[in-house]
Amino acid sequence: KAGVTQTPRYLIKTRGQQVTLSCSPISGHRSVSWYQQTPGQGLQFLFEYFSETQRNKGNFPGRFSGRQFSNSRSEMNVSTLELGDSALYLCASSLTSGGAEETQYFGPGTRLLVL
Amino acid sequence: AQTVTQSQPEMSVQEAETVTLSCTYDTSESDYYLFWYKQPPSRQMILVIRQEAYKQQNATENRFSVNFQKAAKSFSLKISDSQLGDAAMYFCACKRDDKIIFGKGTRLHILP
Repeated sequence: KAGVTQTPRYLIKTRGQQVTLSCSPISGHRSVSWYQQTPGQGLQFLFEYFSETQRNKGNFPGRFSGRQFSNSRSEMNVSTLELGDSALYLCASSLTSGGAEETQYFGPGTRLLVL
Repeated sequence: AQTVTQSQPEMSVQEAETVTLSCTYDTSESDYYLFWYKQPPSRQMILVIRQEAYKQQNATENRFSVNFQKAAKSFSLKISDSQLGDAAMYFCACKRDDKIIFGKGTRLHILP
């Protein structure tokens, strides 16, 4: 079974631009979560989608948004990019949602550099 | 608020030796799950081991085992017979319901 895939793997943008990242979960998984990983803050939860609905949201500004499609693929969008948005963005999928017992499987990440 | 603390930013261990990575957490919930994830350099994060809080028995996965002390809210990871492939960033995480919090990670170096 193929793992979680993320595209693109690397991205360079300039301040003020917007960016869209994509995540394809493991086949059959319906929950997709997004995380931002930086050396200073570590892994921070952005949001989670399940069955095309945002179930949870972390403490990030409204410039960060996402969506999920009927095939469970998810995209996240960052508008008006700032230098501090430079990070590794990780996507994780799990079978269902809402249960603490659910194990998340991570993708390789998209490394975003904002200049 | 739920917090996870990994007090060792970096550790080194000689190949074939045993190393223990520390993790403490704070949650007011009684039902939660604890995880250790491994993130090798430039590779994706994978689950190493998980522990259900209601289980007293410590989880074990081959060379990886945990020491779960619920009262002390401690969840350390022991790696036995360390191998070069164990070199990675290790993250401890606490999950309750639909919310997961990660520690800031411990970078583990394996010395040949």
